[in-house]
Amino acid sequence: DAMVIQNPRYQVTQFGKPVTLSCSQTLNHNVMYWYQQKSSQAPKLLFHYYDKDFNNEADTPDNFQSRRPNTSFCFLDIRSPGLGDAAMYLCATSRVLSGTSLDTQYFGPGTRLTVL
Amino acid sequence: GQNIDQPTEMTATEGAIVQINCTYQTSGFNGLFWYQQHAGEAPTFLSYNVLDGLEEKGRFSSFLSRSKGYSYLLLKELQMKDSASYLCALNSGAGSYQLTFGKGTKLSVIP
Repeated sequence: DAMVIQNPRYQVTQFGKPVTLSCSQTLNHNVMYWYQQKSSQAPKLLFHYYDKDFNNEADTPDNFQSRRPNTSFCFLDIRSPGLGDAAMYLCATSRVLSGTSLDTQYFGPGTRLTVL
Repeated sequence: GQNIDQPTEMTATEGAIVQINCTYQTSGFNGLFWYQQHAGEAPTFLSYNVLDGLEEKGRFSSFLSRSKGYSYLLLKELQMKDSASYLCALNSGAGSYQLTFGKGTKLSVIP
């Protein structure tokens, strides 16, 4: 089935040790998103890509970077994880319909990051 | 900017009907989405409204009034598996490819 895949599902890292989370999709959607979600909070958008155009949210820390080498893959790099970065990281995809109308977002299963 | 309000928690009985409200303020509007999220899992899409009125999908229905900045999700014949958080999300349009999420309503279904 077409889907959004995230690896790994669970990631443990040490304080300050760089970590990369990956996302792939078989939906051929042109928009990909990274969200951070902490317990009992709404998903918080970190950045998104429309094709190769990168859009960074104003309040996304510089510690977070992203790469989208092709339509199917997107990576989230956390350069120096802090204890406050422990969260669920959700990847989502969507497509732009006619004009500027946006289709629904499809989420991957998420990667739960633990920082020791 | 955008602001979305939902009740934090609700409790309802198995077999009953529950309505989860969402009110919003936004400068532009291009659709309102409802997602279900079970604890520790990713959100899954439930429904989408862009025009005023009711959209029905099996046990789930969603209503929108753009003039009032108001939507609700109606869940009928509640089952224990419906215990989850329900997120209201807004697309402001105007070339925006983003959704702004509410904090979610945690629904507990009791026997």
